[in-house]
Amino acid sequence: DVKVTQSSRYLVKRTGEKVFLECVQDMDHENMFWYRQDPGLGLRLIYFSYDVKMKEKGDIPEGYSVSREKKERFSLILESASTNQTSMYLCASTLLTGYEQYFGPGTRLTVT
Amino acid sequence: ELKVEQNPLFLSMQEGKNYTIYCNYSTTSDRLYWYRQDPGKSLESLFVLLSNGAVKQEGRLMASLDTKARLSTLHITAAVHDLSATYFCAVGVTGANSKLTFGKGITLSVRP
Repeated sequence: DVKVTQSSRYLVKRTGEKVFLECVQDMDHENMFWYRQDPGLGLRLIYFSYDVKMKEKGDIPEGYSVSREKKERFSLILESASTNQTSMYLCASTLLTGYEQYFGPGTRLTVT
Repeated sequence: ELKVEQNPLFLSMQEGKNYTIYCNYSTTSDRLYWYRQDPGKSLESLFVLLSNGAVKQEGRLMASLDTKARLSTLHITAAVHDLSATYFCAVGVTGANSKLTFGKGITLSVRP
C-alpha cells in the first residue's frame, strides 16, 4: 500500500513565523504535490515536483516555497506565515501521469 | 485555463433512492478521477477514468466518462448512510504533466 505521511496533523503558528510542512512517501513516486483546502474553494494546487530538485508553480504559489532534496520528501515552506494561510494542507504523490494521486492525512495549520 | 465544475454542491439524498451527480470540465482531457472525503479526513481515490466511454463500478457507485461532452457522471444506486461524504472530481490536461485540477466538491448527505 502506498503511504503518504505528513509531519503534523495540527499546527499553530504566529504571524511572521517561518513554517515547514513535511511530506514523505514510501513508494518511489516521481511526482509530489502540495494543495491547500478551504471551505467552498475545494483543493487548490500550490506547488508540485516531478523530480528531485525540480518544481513547478501551481495555481496559488504566492507566499509559499518548496524543497525536494530527496525523491521521497517534499517540503512546503511558508517564509512568513500570515493569517490568510490558515488552512488544511494536503500532500499527494503519484507514480506518473495517468495514475491516481495518493493523499496524506493533511495538516491543519492555524496562524494567529 | 482548465475549469472543473461540479453540481450540485450539496445534495440531500433519501435512503434507498438513486441519484446522479455531475462533473463538467472546460478543456480536452484524457484522465478524470473521483475522490471521496469524509469529514476531517483526507481524500480517498474511488475511480480513475482514462478513455471516452469508460465506466467503472464499485458497490453502489458507478462512474462514467464522456470526453466529447467533457462530462463525467457518478451514479448512486439505493443510497445508504455510509455514502454520506464529499465527492471530488479531478481532471488532468491532455499531454500535460501529472497536474490535476479539482472541482469544488459535492457534499452528499443521506437521510433515513
